[in-house]
Amino acid sequence: AQSVTQPDARVTVSEGASLQLRCKYSYSGTPYLFWYVQYQRQGLQLLLKYYSGDPVVQGVNGFEAEFSKSDSSFHLRKASVHWSDSAVYFCAAMPNYNVLYFGSGTKLTVEP
Amino acid sequence: EAGVTQSPRYAVLQEGQAVSFWCDPISGHDTLYWYQQPRDQGPQLLVYFRDEAVIDNSQLPSDRFSAVRPKGTNSTLKIQSAKQGDTATYLCASSPGTGVDTEVFFGKGTRLTVV
Repeated sequence: AQSVTQPDARVTVSEGASLQLRCKYSYSGTPYLFWYVQYQRQGLQLLLKYYSGDPVVQGVNGFEAEFSKSDSSFHLRKASVHWSDSAVYFCAAMPNYNVLYFGSGTKLTVEP
Repeated sequence: EAGVTQSPRYAVLQEGQAVSFWCDPISGHDTLYWYQQPRDQGPQLLVYFRDEAVIDNSQLPSDRFSAVRPKGTNSTLKIQSAKQGDTATYLCASSPGTGVDTEVFFGKGTRLTVV
C-alpha cells in the first residue's frame, strides 16, 4: 500500500545532542517530500521540502533532511537540539503533486 | 499576510448532535483541503476543492459529513449526528494551486470532542 511510515512514535534526546527522525515512503516514482512540525495547540508548520536535485535539503531552525531513492527514505536531522524543538514532527509525501499524505508523527522530547 | 483561519477553535458535543466548522483560506489560494487528525495520529485527508469544485471526497464519510465551498473562497465542513469516533482535530489548509513548488498552509484547527 502507498504510505508514509514514521517508525518511532516517541524520541527523547538531551539538549545539545544530535537528532535523527526517520521517515520512509512507499510510492511509485519520487513524490515531493516534506517535514512539518506541530507545536502544542498550533497548526502545522513547514520545516523543509524536497522536490528534486541535491538530496540534502536545508530547512528552518537548523534542520536538514536527506532524501534516499534507494532506501525510499527522507530522514530529518539536526546537529544540536534545543528545548524549544520539543514538538510533534510529521513526514509527508505529495505523490501526485496535489495532496499531502502524512505519516503518524514522531513526538520529540528534549530533556534539559 | 493573514494565514488560514478556522473557527471555532474548540467544540464539545453529545453524540447525535450536529456541528459546523468554518475555514477562511489565504486570499488568492484556489485549493482548499480539510483533514481529520485523531489524537496521536497524522492528519488524514477528508476532502479537497479547487475553487468551488470538489476534486476528491472519497475519504469523506458521506452519510454524516458534508463540505462546501460555494464561492471558491470560504468553506464549511459539517458533521450531522456526531459519533464518539469523530473526536479529532479538524484542520483546514490552502495552497495557491497544485503542482511544482506548491506549498500548503495550515490553520490551527478545530478540536472536536464528542461525548
